[in-house]
Amino acid sequence: QVQLVQSGAEVKKPGASVKVSCKASGYTFTSYDINWVRQATGQGLEWMGWMNPNSGNTGYAQKFQGRVTMTRNTSISTAYMELSSLRSEDTAVYYCARGRRDSGSYYWDYWGQGTLVTVSS
Amino acid sequence: QSVLTQPPSASGTPGQRVTISCSGSSSNIGSNYVYWYQQLPGTAPKLLIYRNNQRPSGVPDRFSGSKSGTSASLAISGLRSEDEADYYCAAWDDSLSGPWVFGGGTKLTVL
Repeated sequence: QVQLVQSGAEVKKPGASVKVSCKASGYTFTSYDINWVRQATGQGLEWMGWMNPNSGNTGYAQKFQGRVTMTRNTSISTAYMELSSLRSEDTAVYYCARGRRDSGSYYWDYWGQGTLVTVSS
Repeated sequence: QSVLTQPPSASGTPGQRVTISCSGSSSNIGSNYVYWYQQLPGTAPKLLIYRNNQRPSGVPDRFSGSKSGTSASLAISGLRSEDEADYYCAAWDDSLSGPWVFGGGTKLTVL
């Protein structure tokens, strides 16, 4: 069965960087995009960007341009999201989600369990 | 401030039918598909509706989606206690707000 398993919770100081991993199993990793979506405590969902694991091509939300980097290691079917220059407002649960293209539509059909990133001095 | 507008809360009693609205603009809902995600407490979101009104396999037919112009709706019939969750609408946005935008979420309470 399809699974996305994310790395554990992180605590970082303001100005630092964090790198969250997302290990895929149960399907061909390079056949589907990986997207990253975050959710601050008690808040809604916010899309950060996508990556094509086959080509390595990426697309980022304008808000995160220059601060986020999405990469992958195809040999271990793992995607990564690195966010730099962290500030308190980046405290959130970060989710990876598989992006699926289907007859002109695109949606996230499987999600990781989420990784809590806390930014605190 | 979310690009798509949802009511913050909705409620109903078991067996009732409830609807959740999602309002957008011509750059998102008006010209692209709408998706709905269900988030049970403490868990990751789950795809509920795609391409405006399609249900993934495993999603009960009690859930249905519709779209008209720049608005969309999620309807839940035969409400059950396990439907108590947060519901989010999402759409591709052709403007600088995008490309993917969400509603602020609607917390559904089953009374």
